[in-house]
Amino acid sequence: ETGVTQTPRHLVMGMTNKKSLKCEQHLGHNAMYWYKQSAKKPLELMFVYSLEERVENNSVPSRFSPECPNSSHLFLHLHTLQPEDSALYLCASSPSSGRQREQYFGPGTRLTVT
Amino acid sequence: AQTVTQSQPEMSVQEAETVTLSCTYDTSENNYYLFWYKQPPSRQMILVIRQEAYKQQNATENRFSVNFQKAAKSFSLKISDSQLGDTAMYFCAFMSNSFQTSGSRLTFGEGTQLTVNP
Repeated sequence: ETGVTQTPRHLVMGMTNKKSLKCEQHLGHNAMYWYKQSAKKPLELMFVYSLEERVENNSVPSRFSPECPNSSHLFLHLHTLQPEDSALYLCASSPSSGRQREQYFGPGTRLTVT
Repeated sequence: AQTVTQSQPEMSVQEAETVTLSCTYDTSENNYYLFWYKQPPSRQMILVIRQEAYKQQNATENRFSVNFQKAAKSFSLKISDSQLGDTAMYFCAFMSNSFQTSGSRLTFGEGTQLTVNP
């Protein structure tokens, strides 16, 4: 247990569906991150939220829409995805400032787009 | 931009033996952090060990230790007395200590798959 939870753990969706991934952290952090992990590729940082404000969006297609309603929760809304979006989606959190800013990860959501 | 290179895609070791995983990085910064993360078959990414670049002493966490060579930009992970539960993908990661960014930005290597054999 790292203090970061993600739901659902597995998700299968069609290309026309709309679904959301949820991340919750219990570490008192105020920065949260979404990563995409595909087979044979390094982790790709998608979005960064700090103090509930989006501070980074790494050229992610608009079919992925993040939301951070408070510092403990992060969502990734999905719509009209493509098969190549199938991957493991990892959420992480960290303090937004100070020296100890290492990231702690959730267990991930395995997404399959059919 | 920083880069992190792990030149060993796969490694294996016998239970109870010692193994060393390699990592090199490239940066023009002087103040930064380095990490090793472990991702077992459960896919949970777990922080194994951290090293602050300004500290000369190598970090140690139980059976895990690092050999940090700042001039050579090398950061290897040594696992002593390997256990079956150490089987995982190991990622080396770099983090700038810039206080101009809010939160942190990790640059990951491509990973080394370690298998511990009984």
